[in-house]
Amino acid sequence: EPEVTQTPSHQVTQMGQEVILRCVPISNHLYFYWYRQILGQKVEFLVSFYNNEISEKSEIFDDQFSVERPDGSNFTLKIRSTKLEDSAMYFCASSGFDRGTWSQYFGPGTRLTVL
Amino acid sequence: DAKTTQPNSMESNEEEPVHLPCNHSTISGTDYIHWYRQLPSQGPEYVIHGLTSNVNNRMASLAIAEDRKSSTLILHRATLRDAAVYYCILPRETSGSRLTFGEGTQLTVNP
Repeated sequence: EPEVTQTPSHQVTQMGQEVILRCVPISNHLYFYWYRQILGQKVEFLVSFYNNEISEKSEIFDDQFSVERPDGSNFTLKIRSTKLEDSAMYFCASSGFDRGTWSQYFGPGTRLTVL
Repeated sequence: DAKTTQPNSMESNEEEPVHLPCNHSTISGTDYIHWYRQLPSQGPEYVIHGLTSNVNNRMASLAIAEDRKSSTLILHRATLRDAAVYYCILPRETSGSRLTFGEGTQLTVNP
């Protein structure tokens, strides 16, 4: 069964450094997403991406975040200058059209630790 | 997204059926009802969705009230692996719409 994959599973970085989180969505899906979950809190939407541009973003997704689909398979989230509060699990998702609506399929996540 | 209300927690015994309720009294005519779950230390996982009719898949069944103001996710035989937080979500019906996760229902399965 096709699945969303993410690398790395765990990333440790120093405050102020740039990180790139990588995802390979399900191959025939058209919409891609990033969510994050701070420890003990809810899963929060960051951004959605369609046809090589951002279709929706949350207030969390400020200028230090960017997304890119550099080739036909990868989808990346870049955090330009990490802060301590960026420490969280980051989940990538992609969605496919199924029985009248769009369902999202999530990857296993990347745990980002900012020191 | 239409507002949903779920119990904070539920408990079940292994191999028994579990009925997880969700109220969504402000549902509109075109809102699909989606269920996702999150197992410990994992990403959210799609479970099932429906519009009006009851739905079955290999993971679960979804029973939708006739007035669509409530629904019930049914796990026919709970296993220890089904212990998770279950989310009932009614996303806006636009293509690629975000999911908004609430508190969900924490399901505990006793051996």
